Formats: sequence, structure tokens, C-alpha cells
Amino acid sequence: GQQLNQSPQSMFIQEGEDVSMNCTSSSIFNTWLWYKQEPGEGPVLLIALYKAGELTSNGRLTAQFGITRKDSFLNISASIPSDVGIYFCAGQLGLEKLTFGTGTRLTIIP
Amino acid sequence: EAGVVQSPRYKIIEKKQPVAFWCNPISGHNTLYWYRQNLGQGPELLIRYENEEAVDDSQLPKDRFSAERLKGVDSTLKIQPAELGDSAVYLCASSSGGTGGIEQFFGPGTRLTVL
Repeated sequence: GQQLNQSPQSMFIQEGEDVSMNCTSSSIFNTWLWYKQEPGEGPVLLIALYKAGELTSNGRLTAQFGITRKDSFLNISASIPSDVGIYFCAGQLGLEKLTFGTGTRLTIIP
Repeated sequence: EAGVVQSPRYKIIEKKQPVAFWCNPISGHNTLYWYRQNLGQGPELLIRYENEEAVDDSQLPKDRFSAERLKGVDSTLKIQPAELGDSAVYLCASSSGGTGGIEQFFGPGTRLTVL
């Protein structure tokens, strides 16, 4: 099935650094979601975006709904060890199923 | 509030054997989803239920996969017979928002290994 393209595939950063990742699609969505998945667990919803151009924050996390409706971005400021995990974007058009991205694996170097 | 419960957490079987996964959604959630997550990829929807009705099973390989949600609460996903390519994590999720269901809450998944 279709999977959205996420970049980068993996990131190795030091604690305290900021993180940026993005997600692109060949088709438009009217909802963008960002999830985090830790080992042995299911994805957990971090941020939901409902409008093109929307910028939404959740603590140190900020996500944006791209103007073209074909992309979205997630930023994490001042990373901490518990930020480690795999971050997935997901797009939804109307009431259709969620289409997930391929994931960005975040590793924090001590 | 209890989250989505799945069992077993891990299952190892030989190819051609049957296997079943069980899911109990969050209480009051009418919508239930089964996803398959292959290694290094995001989840892909297999089937979505609204109460006891399967409203989207277009991605379910019906030759070997089946699912049921009797009484509109818990659900079972079955594979018979299993193939090597079925090795994956099977995730169950639920939501209260009806069709689509933006706020989907996921269970921990069942990791299936087919030998």
C-alpha cells in the first residue's frame, strides 16, 4: 500500500539539539497527524493539524500543515533522552483511512 | 481508563499454521481498526469496523485473513494458513469518532514471526 515519504530516515543528535523532520505526499490531505512509537508499543498521537498553513505546538513539539496540503513538518526543540523513538506522519483525506509515512528514527547521543 | 488491550504480545508459528489475534478496544469506542506494520515501515490498515460492521476491508487479503467483531466490542483477526511474508506487528486501534476517527488509540501490538 501507499506510504508517505519521510525525511530523514534516521537522525543521530546530541541532547539539547533541535530536530526537524518532514513528510511529503504525491496527493493532498486535509488532515495531517504526527505520531511517536517506542519499542514494543503502538503509535501515540502527538499533534493533529486540520488546516493548510496551520502551525500547532505541543510543549517542545511544533508541527506545520504545508500550504500545498502535500507536506507537513515536525520540529522538536531542546531534545531530551525521552524523545528517542520513531516518529510517523499520517495523512487523511475526508473520512478515508489514515496513510502513514515510513518513519523517522530519532536517536540521542549522550 | 484502560487502553487498547491486545493478546498475545508475541507469537511464533511455522508456515501453514493458523494464528489468531485478539483485541479489546477502549470502552465506549465504536470504531475498531486492525493494522499491519512491517519492519521499518508505518502501519497499514487491514480492516475498519463501525460497531460490528466491517466498513472498510479493501486491504484485507481475504484468501487467508479473516476478522470478526461480534457484539461490536472486542475483535479477533485470524490468518489461515500463515505464510512467511505475514511476519509483522499487528496493531489494533480504536476511536470514538465514527468514520475516519482522527484520534485513534493504538494497542501495543502482537509481533508475529512465521518460520
